[in-house]
Amino acid sequence: KQEVTQIPAALSVPEGENLVLNCSFTDSAIYNLQWFRQDPGKGLTSLLLIQSSQREQTSGRLNASLDKSSGRSTLYIAASQPGDSATYLCAVQSVDSGGSNYKLTFGKGTLLTVNP
Amino acid sequence: EAGVAQSPRYKIIEKRQSVAFWCNPISGHATLYWYQQILGQGPKLLIQFQNNGVVDDSQLPKDRFSAERLKGVDSTLKIQPAKLEDSAVYLCASSLVGGAYNSPLHFGNGTRLTVT
Repeated sequence: KQEVTQIPAALSVPEGENLVLNCSFTDSAIYNLQWFRQDPGKGLTSLLLIQSSQREQTSGRLNASLDKSSGRSTLYIAASQPGDSATYLCAVQSVDSGGSNYKLTFGKGTLLTVNP
Repeated sequence: EAGVAQSPRYKIIEKRQSVAFWCNPISGHATLYWYQQILGQGPKLLIQFQNNGVVDDSQLPKDRFSAERLKGVDSTLKIQPAKLEDSAVYLCASSLVGGAYNSPLHFGNGTRLTVT
């Protein structure tokens, strides 16, 4: 059974700092890994999707890396801003135990606070 | 492009009552998902539809939860009767295609259910 762990559970940084969020997964047989952002009272917004054959994806100040063999991904946020404050969730897509469907398994998220 | 629409935004009911949630996915998206997100947890998949057929409902408590997606577009999720532990945010998501096609999920803002 796929399990996804995110460390740290919460992170508080001053504005302008670069930071790294970590995600690990137990089964390396994944098809892709996705990073989402969730603002309070809102749904999830997809930030980056890394296919299993890729090593990283970049979007603006965000860079996500994937090391499938070790079961790890990182989300790097450069020059953090107060508007980056949110919960960041990692999810991996892998085949389910029945072998017939591709499930998305989420971590619990990292609550990021960027202080002005 | 209009996003995933969900209603209502909030619902408060007493235990043993019934409740229904509605979701309208992004136009053209074949796959629709219902997730349950308990406070402090990542979303957990309840049911996945491909067009109007069920792909995965292995984690749906079928003694009290039901869902349908008539005509392969809108979907409703019903709980009858509700229990205290059903208090959560119910998220609907859609994607262009399902499975391991690296198609990002788009989420609605969710319905926050409180069972008293």
